[in-house]
Amino acid sequence: QVQLVQSGSELKKPGASVKVSCKASGYTFTDYALNWVRQAPGQGLEWMGWINTNTGDPAFAPGFTGRFVFSLDTSVSTAYLQISSLKAEDTAVYYCARKARGRYHFDYWGQATLVTVSS
Amino acid sequence: QSALTQPPSASGSPGQSVTISCTGTSSDVGAYNYVSWYQQHPGKAPKLIIYEVTKRPSGVPDRFSGSKSGNTASLTVSGLQAEDEADYYCNSYAGSNNLVFGGGTKLTVL
Repeated sequence: QVQLVQSGSELKKPGASVKVSCKASGYTFTDYALNWVRQAPGQGLEWMGWINTNTGDPAFAPGFTGRFVFSLDTSVSTAYLQISSLKAEDTAVYYCARKARGRYHFDYWGQATLVTVSS
Repeated sequence: QSALTQPPSASGSPGQSVTISCTGTSSDVGAYNYVSWYQQHPGKAPKLIIYEVTKRPSGVPDRFSGSKSGNTASLTVSGLQAEDEADYYCNSYAGSNNLVFGGGTKLTVL
């Protein structure tokens, strides 16, 4: 069965960096792009962008450029989201979600990773 | 791009139908048949319930249906049940490898 398993909660200080992982199983990793979605406390979903698991090419939503990096380790079917220079407003739950090539919906989601930025 | 516009809340009694709208522009909802809807219960990950405007994934009850007219997509939940109480989000492809979510609608079953 398809699973996306994310790394655990993180507590970071402002200015630090964080790296969230999303390990895929139950399907061919390179057949689907992996997306990242942010949900701030009590707020809605924001699409951050995706990474092409074939080429490693990322695509970022406006507002998620500069401090955000998407990367892969295809040898372990894992995608990563790295956020640098963390700010309090980065405090949120982050989800990875799978998207088929040429399709524009997310059929499987990770269980979420809470990132808290606090001094 | 701007978030798609959804009503903050909607409600209905058990057995009734409720429709949630999702308004975009001619560059996103109006341009592509790539509107999807997600159901999110508190503390849980979102779940896909409608994709490509009208299609339902396997296992999603046929009480959930989607449609689109112009720049506005809609999700209709028929025969409301208590377990339908959740947040609902629309999403649309917006061209150039961009996607955009709606602000979300909290559905209350009275």
